[in-house]
Amino acid sequence: AQSVTQLDSHVSVSEGTPVLLRCNYSSSYSPSLFWYVQHPNKGLQLLLKYTSAATLVKGINGFEAEFKKSETSFHLTKPSAHMSDAAEYFCVLNYGQNFVFGPGTRLSVLP
Amino acid sequence: NAGVTQTPKFRILKIGQSMTLQCAQDMNHNYMYWYRQDPGMGLKLIYYSVGAGITDKGEVPNGYNVSRSTTEDFPLRLELAAPSQTSVYFCASSYMGGTTEAFFGQGTRLTVV
Repeated sequence: AQSVTQLDSHVSVSEGTPVLLRCNYSSSYSPSLFWYVQHPNKGLQLLLKYTSAATLVKGINGFEAEFKKSETSFHLTKPSAHMSDAAEYFCVLNYGQNFVFGPGTRLSVLP
Repeated sequence: NAGVTQTPKFRILKIGQSMTLQCAQDMNHNYMYWYRQDPGMGLKLIYYSVGAGITDKGEVPNGYNVSRSTTEDFPLRLELAAPSQTSVYFCASSYMGGTTEAFFGQGTRLTVV
């Protein structure tokens, strides 16, 4: 069965410090993986996607993620957090026709 | 570019009432989805469609129905609303399964009282 685990329900960082949001997946297939961001009372916006090309994927707003098959991980990072990064982040796995969502990680950015 | 449009944005229903959540996309996507989002639970798939005339159940279909008569539209019907259906509902579309990402609407916040 396909599943996604986000290891932290809440991460708090200071502005200007690095961000690490962790994601592990389970899949019988070679997966496509995505990170989405949801700002309060908004829809979901795609940050980046992995589709079996380069394992280091760069996305919007300075975010990037590295696909590690041996660790079944797809962690999201950003070198320096900005106040506008405060939001909910979802790691998502695509298999066949459907998407499987992790439970989400709420990122708080402190001034 | 409109993308995925959901209406209404907010709705309060009384127990036992019915309503239809509308979803339309203008990207000519084959795949469309309905999700519900509950706090701390991520998004759960209610129904999906791989093309006009074809729909299938997702993880949490009970209490809902869908139809897909055109490529563009994918309405979600709630019959006999219950408090457990209080949630935020998202419609999404994608070009095809596999490697393509999903595009989401802005959501409908539904409260059943």
